[in-house]
Amino acid sequence: KNQVEQSPQSLIILEGKNCTLQCNYTVSPFSNLRWYKQDTGRGPVSLTIMTFSENTKSNGRYTATLDADTKQSSLHITASQLSDSASYICVVTVYNNNDMRFGAGTRLTVKP
Amino acid sequence: KAGVTQTPRYLIKTRGQQVTLSCSPISGHRSVSWYQQTPGQGLQFLFEYFSETQRNKGNFPGRFSGRQFSNSRSEMNVSTLELGDSALYLCASSSGLAGNEQFFGPGTRLTVL
Repeated sequence: KNQVEQSPQSLIILEGKNCTLQCNYTVSPFSNLRWYKQDTGRGPVSLTIMTFSENTKSNGRYTATLDADTKQSSLHITASQLSDSASYICVVTVYNNNDMRFGAGTRLTVKP
Repeated sequence: KAGVTQTPRYLIKTRGQQVTLSCSPISGHRSVSWYQQTPGQGLQFLFEYFSETQRNKGNFPGRFSGRQFSNSRSEMNVSTLELGDSALYLCASSSGLAGNEQFFGPGTRLTVL
């Protein structure tokens, strides 16, 4: 079983709508959690990074939340745009080393 | 600063051949990690090099190998290619300190026929 589970696997929304992507992890000990955006055929680009003590982090229309007690994170996208169509990957880093655990990603499609 | 560059961007090979992919990290970064990404599998860690030494290795067969040069540039080699090796190969660079962010390159799309 993957230590980082993302849901849903794919999502289709209309332009202008909001959406929330989920990430549940069992990685321990925990160092930080990152959300990446990956356009088709391109490398992932970091959106947010949160450490154990951070509950929320925003980057423009992207807001990530973290509940370290329940080991859950979410990425909320506000007022979606066509350019938000991409895969969103949740990555959890193990404490005290560079070991990273990747979720399988959520494929978001924003339609006009 | 220039970002992470990977060459070539696209590559077509046939089964049994070998291939070498190249990655130039961000200037000043000493760590280079390689990942394989296939549809439905997500990112799979191959290995990490730091100061010319392999520091971590994923669960891939010995056909996959790599090296890092003194200028931190890295190469990845896959020998005796199989159809299942078709994937996007991503390189990521970082300072190498624990927890520091990795910056990804655009990837090399390898197709094995």
